[in-house]
Amino acid sequence: KQEVTQIPAALSVPEGENLVLNCSFTDSAIYNLQWFRQDPGKGLTSLLLIQSSQREQTSGRLNASLDKSSGRSTLYIAASQPGDSATYLCAVDSSNTGKLIFGQGTTLQVKP
Amino acid sequence: GAGVSQSPSNKVTEKGKDVELRCDPISGHTALYWYRQSLGQGLEFLIYFQGNSAPDKSGLPSDRFSAERTGGSVSTLTIQRTQQEDSAVYLCASRSGTGGRGKLFFGSGTQLSVL
Repeated sequence: KQEVTQIPAALSVPEGENLVLNCSFTDSAIYNLQWFRQDPGKGLTSLLLIQSSQREQTSGRLNASLDKSSGRSTLYIAASQPGDSATYLCAVDSSNTGKLIFGQGTTLQVKP
Repeated sequence: GAGVSQSPSNKVTEKGKDVELRCDPISGHTALYWYRQSLGQGLEFLIYFQGNSAPDKSGLPSDRFSAERTGGSVSTLTIQRTQQEDSAVYLCASRSGTGGRGKLFFGSGTQLSVL
């Protein structure tokens, strides 16, 4: 059974720092991995989607990498800003259907 | 519409009552998903509709839960005889196409509180 773990559960950094959020999964047979952002009381916003054949995806200050063989993904946020404060969720698709298995999330606080 | 729309945004009900939650996906999206987010369990898959195929109900926690999708568009999640453990945020998502290549777009959710 696929399990997704995110470390750390919470992170607080000063504005301007570069930071890395970690995601690990137990079964490397995945089709894709997505990183989402969730603001309090809101739904999820998809940030980046990495197909199983890809190693990384970039969008603005965000870079997500995927090492399928070791069951790991990282989300790198450059030059963090207070507006980046949110919960970041990692999810894998092991069935190629969009049925996602989520990690518990990392709650990020960026202090001005 | 511009995004996935869910209603109501909040629902408070008494234990034992039935509730209906509505999802309006992005126009043209053929795949629709229901997820549940609760404090103890995180985000869990409930049910998945793809076009005219039979839905994948493998995530529904009990037979009190059911969902339908009419005309390949709007979906309704029904919870019968609600229990306190059903309290959670119910999130709907949609995606275009088939397979796992596309991003899921989520609505803002329905916060369900069962008293």
